[in-house]
Amino acid sequence: DADVTQTPRNRITKTGKRIMLECSQTKGHDRMYWYRQDPGLGLRLIYYSFDVKDINKGEISDGYSVSRQAQAKFSLSLESAIPNQTALYFCATSAGGSADKYNYGYTFGSGTRLTVV
Amino acid sequence: GQSLEQPSEVTAVEGAIVQINCTYQTSGFYGLSWYQQHDGGAPTFLSYNALDGLEETGRFSSFLSRSDSYGYLLLQELQMKDSASYFCAVRGGPGGYQKVTFGTGTKLQVIP
Repeated sequence: DADVTQTPRNRITKTGKRIMLECSQTKGHDRMYWYRQDPGLGLRLIYYSFDVKDINKGEISDGYSVSRQAQAKFSLSLESAIPNQTALYFCATSAGGSADKYNYGYTFGSGTRLTVV
Repeated sequence: GQSLEQPSEVTAVEGAIVQINCTYQTSGFYGLSWYQQHDGGAPTFLSYNALDGLEETGRFSSFLSRSDSYGYLLLQELQMKDSASYFCAVRGGPGGYQKVTFGTGTKLQVIP
C-alpha cells in the first residue's frame, strides 16, 4: 500500500458542485499539506496542517476548505467548483525538522486530477 | 516575498552529465530541496541542503551557495529514466522555517 493515498484519482464535476478530495497516510507524520499543480506554475500551497488542531491557509486558499479528521487524514473541499479549479491536486506529508535532514523531505500522494466543466 | 528561478527545459545525452540551476530570493533562508517528477506521477524527494557545499547521493548531487542564493542539481551518467521534471524548493521566507515554496520546474529530456 502507498504511504500517502489520495482518492479519487480522477474526477470530472460540474460547475457549482461541492467536491471533496481525500488523503490518508501511513507515514505517521504530523504535518500534512494540499498542493495544486498547474502547467508552468509548479506546486502551489493551498492549506497545511501541523497537527489535528492546527489548520493554516497557504498562498491560494480562496475557494477551498480543509478538514483534519485525524492525524492520518486530511481532506480538501471545493464548496462550489469553478472551471479554473481544474488542476492536479497533491496531498503531501512531512515529519518536520530534526537532526536527520531527510525528515525535511515531503512524501506526496499520487494526485487527483480534477476537471470542472 | 519569495521567488525561485530555474530553466524551463534542458536536453542532455544519455551517459552525459547535466546541471540544473536554481536561484532564489527569500527573507530568512533555511534550506533548498530538490524533487523529481515523472509525467503523470507524484513528486519524489531527492535531496536537501541546509549548508553550503555539495551533497552526493549516488548519481545525483546537490550544491548550495547561500551567499549567492544559488543551488544546483547535478545528474551524472544520465539514463533515459532520468527524463522528468525537477523542482527546487526553498524552506523559509515570511512564514518561517515551516514554509516551503516550490519553483516552476525544469523539464529534463534525455536523448540517446
